[in-house]
Amino acid sequence: DAMVIQNPRYQVTQFGKPVTLSCSQTLNHNVMYWYQQKSSQAPKLLFHYYDKDFNNEADTPDNFQSRRPNTSFCFLDIRSPGLGDAAMYLCATSRDNGQSTFGSGTRLTVV
Amino acid sequence: AQSVTQPDIHITVSEGASLELRCNYSYGATPYLFWYVQSPGQGLQLLLKYFSGDTLVQGIKGFEAEFKRSQSSFNLRKPSVHWSDAAEYFCAVRPLEYGNKLVFGAGTILRVKS
Repeated sequence: DAMVIQNPRYQVTQFGKPVTLSCSQTLNHNVMYWYQQKSSQAPKLLFHYYDKDFNNEADTPDNFQSRRPNTSFCFLDIRSPGLGDAAMYLCATSRDNGQSTFGSGTRLTVV
Repeated sequence: AQSVTQPDIHITVSEGASLELRCNYSYGATPYLFWYVQSPGQGLQLLLKYFSGDTLVQGIKGFEAEFKRSQSSFNLRKPSVHWSDAAEYFCAVRPLEYGNKLVFGAGTILRVKS
C-alpha cells in the first residue's frame, strides 16, 4: 500500500545532542510537511517542501532544519534539542489540494 | 481573525447514540475542508473531505459531514457511535490563499461510554 513511513517511532535523545527524524513516502506526492504536536494540541506546521522549494513557517525556531534530498525522503534535523522540543513529530504528504496523508509519527523524548 | 473553531474540547456519548462534532471557519472564500481522526500515539487519518459540489459528503467508518456556506460550518456526524470511535477529531481547512497549507482546529476528544 502507498504510504508515509516515519522512522523511528520512538526516539530518545540527550539535551543538546543533534537528532534526525526521517520520513519516506511511496505516494509520489510533491508536497511534504513536518508538524510538531504536543499533548492535547493540534499539529503545528514547522515547514513544508513544494517539490524542492522549502517553505519555513515564520515562528519555527532556527533549531529546526529540514532536508529533502529527493521526492521520496524528507528529514527533520533538530540541532540542539531542548526539553521543550519533546513532542510527537508528524510527517505528511499531499498533492496540490492540501489533502494530506500522515505518517504514524515519531515520539521524541529529550533527557 | 482567520481561524478554524471547534467549540467542544471534549464530548462524551453513549455507544449507539448519534454524534455531531462542530467546526466553523472564518475565511473569505470557501476553503477546502477536511476532517481527520487521531487515535492515541498515532498519526492523523483522513475521514472525509469537501472541495465542491454536493454539500453532504460521506466518509470512512460511517461518518458524514455537511458543508453549510451560510454558517461557515462543516459539522461531522455519525448516526450510531461505536466504542472504537473514541479518539480525537480535528477539523482542518485549506484556505485558497494559503497555498498547500492546512489550518487545524484545536480538536475535539470523543469519549464513548458503554
